[in-house]
Amino acid sequence: GQQLNQSPQSMFIQEGEDVSMNCTSSSIFNTWLWYKQEPGEGPVLLIALYKAGELTSNGRLTAQFGITRKDSFLNISASIPSDVGIYFCAGQLGNNNDMRFGAGTRLTVKP
Amino acid sequence: DGGITQSPKYLFRKEGQNVTLSCEQNLNHDAMYWYRQDPGQGLRLIYYSQIVNDFQKGDIAEGYSVSREKKESFPLTVTSAQKNPTAFYLCASSGTSPSPLHFGNGTRLTVT
Repeated sequence: GQQLNQSPQSMFIQEGEDVSMNCTSSSIFNTWLWYKQEPGEGPVLLIALYKAGELTSNGRLTAQFGITRKDSFLNISASIPSDVGIYFCAGQLGNNNDMRFGAGTRLTVKP
Repeated sequence: DGGITQSPKYLFRKEGQNVTLSCEQNLNHDAMYWYRQDPGQGLRLIYYSQIVNDFQKGDIAEGYSVSREKKESFPLTVTSAQKNPTAFYLCASSGTSPSPLHFGNGTRLTVT
């Protein structure tokens, strides 16, 4: 099945900096999801987007569902050391068995 | 607390042996899934089940088998036919679509 194109693959930033990552696809999706995974654990849902153009925030995190339905971005403002982890995007067209995942963005935050 | 429990966290097996990974959920979710995660790749779907006693192959089902005898449980067997079984395996569940997946904490399988 088709995977999503997620970029960047990795980011090394200083504490306090803002972060931006995105996912694109050649296919449209009805739902975009952003997950965070810490070492040795399962992904945890950060934000779910259900409508094209939707902009949703969760604390310092903001995500948008692209108007074309083929992309989404996630921003993290004022990063802190506990933001370290791998961030995954996921797109869903219909049922959950159709969900596709990006390869992840590995975020490192230097204190 | 409601959630998904995967066990064991680490598993070591010799090549040629079958091994079963456990996944239990108490979220009352109908649907359950197994994903495989390899470094630098997105999650890939192995099998999924939308209801008890029914399951379907995902994108990479070869060398794997599952059962769904109870709503709460969806064990995955990695058979000797799986060519490259060493990986991190994630179980997930969800309510009625569209509904986000909730993941367990994974089982890291190493086959030597």
